[in-house]
Amino acid sequence: EPEVTQTPSHQVTQMGQEVILRCVPISNHLYFYWYRQILGQKVEFLVSFYNNEISEKSEIFDDQFSVERPDGSNFTLKIRSTKLEDSAMYFCASSEPDRETIYGYTFGSGTRLTVV
Amino acid sequence: AQSVTQPDIHITVSEGASLELRCNYSYGATPYLFWYVQSPGQGLQLLLKYFSGDTLVQGIKGFEAEFKRSQSSFNLRKPSVHWSDAAEYFCAVGGYGNKLVFGAGTILRVKS
Repeated sequence: EPEVTQTPSHQVTQMGQEVILRCVPISNHLYFYWYRQILGQKVEFLVSFYNNEISEKSEIFDDQFSVERPDGSNFTLKIRSTKLEDSAMYFCASSEPDRETIYGYTFGSGTRLTVV
Repeated sequence: AQSVTQPDIHITVSEGASLELRCNYSYGATPYLFWYVQSPGQGLQLLLKYFSGDTLVQGIKGFEAEFKRSQSSFNLRKPSVHWSDAAEYFCAVGGYGNKLVFGAGTILRVKS
């Protein structure tokens, strides 16, 4: 079964450093997403991406965050200058454009980001 | 705005017993509803979804859920729980712009 692959599985970074979280979505999917889950809290939407541009972003997704699909297979989330409160599990997801499946995301297993 | 409420933070059931996890949603239009499961250290796996039609939907691993519009509910059920079902379960509603709005989750513990 096709998978969404995320690397690394765990990343530790110093406050103020830039991090890039990487994702390889399912190859025929056209919508891509990032969600995050702070420990013990809800899974929260960050951003959706379609046709090489952001289609929607939440209030969490401020100027410190950016997304990119640099080469047609990878989908990255960059945090420019990490803060302690960015520590969370970050999930990448992708979905097909069909109306019946568009919400039927496939999620990756997540990258646990720890900012120290 | 869309929202999802899962009133039970933790539930403990005995292996072999039946299970019902509650989910209530708030959404202005016909909702798209989902249940996801997350095992420790793992990603989110889709158990089942409701878009339209039959209000009782079957999912993987023997789970089912029933959509009740009058109660704004989408409760997840399983007739006989197995120890491997211990995990965290998230209800979600498909909101505007294709995003999912998740509930806070219910942690299921299974007693042997």
